[in-house]
Amino acid sequence: LAKTTQPISMDSYEGQEVNITCSHNNIATNDYITWYQQFPSQGPRFIIQGYKTKVTNEVASLFIPADRKSSTLSLPRVSLSDTAVYYCLVGAFRGSARQLTFGSGTQLTVLP
Amino acid sequence: KAGVTQTPRYLIKTRGQQVTLSCSPISGHRSVSWYQQTPGQGLQFLFEYFSETQRNKGNFPGRFSGRQFSNSRSEMNVSTLELGDSALYLCASSLETSYNEQFFGPGTRLTVL
Repeated sequence: LAKTTQPISMDSYEGQEVNITCSHNNIATNDYITWYQQFPSQGPRFIIQGYKTKVTNEVASLFIPADRKSSTLSLPRVSLSDTAVYYCLVGAFRGSARQLTFGSGTQLTVLP
Repeated sequence: KAGVTQTPRYLIKTRGQQVTLSCSPISGHRSVSWYQQTPGQGLQFLFEYFSETQRNKGNFPGRFSGRQFSNSRSEMNVSTLELGDSALYLCASSLETSYNEQFFGPGTRLTVL
């Protein structure tokens, strides 16, 4: 079963690039890595998903090294509205059943 | 398109009671997953349903159960409530599988007294 670890919190200033890393040592070969953003009193919201190397969309980039034991979410030029909790999500098979494991979440605080 | 809706939004129960939570997925989505969120344990996967069948299950006791109807709407049930079941219960829907992008509802806040 994949165990995921993230930093508890990070601070940044507006306009800076933020990188949040998640380690998932036991990821299976067929797992995707997905990142979600959560604001207080709301459900998580999808940010980006990848399998290997680098994925980029309009809001973020995801870097996955060759061994896939970690991944890094990169948020370019953050703003105050990016203050939220960020979670990585990894799936792993236990027998024939697939289980999803969220990281503990990283509280990102963007300062003016 | 309407988003994922969950009812009720808030619920207060006492120990030993049972509770049923409801989730309506986005139209066209066939996969529905349930999660429990607590300050201590974070987000934990409960189970996933697809085409009225439970496809995957997390590490929760048998008191936690669910089902999915032919219109993809889903319910989860918790029997013999314990104080530790107090949590935010989140439902998420996706097109075919929880591998896909999941869309989360606002959650049901359950308090067990």
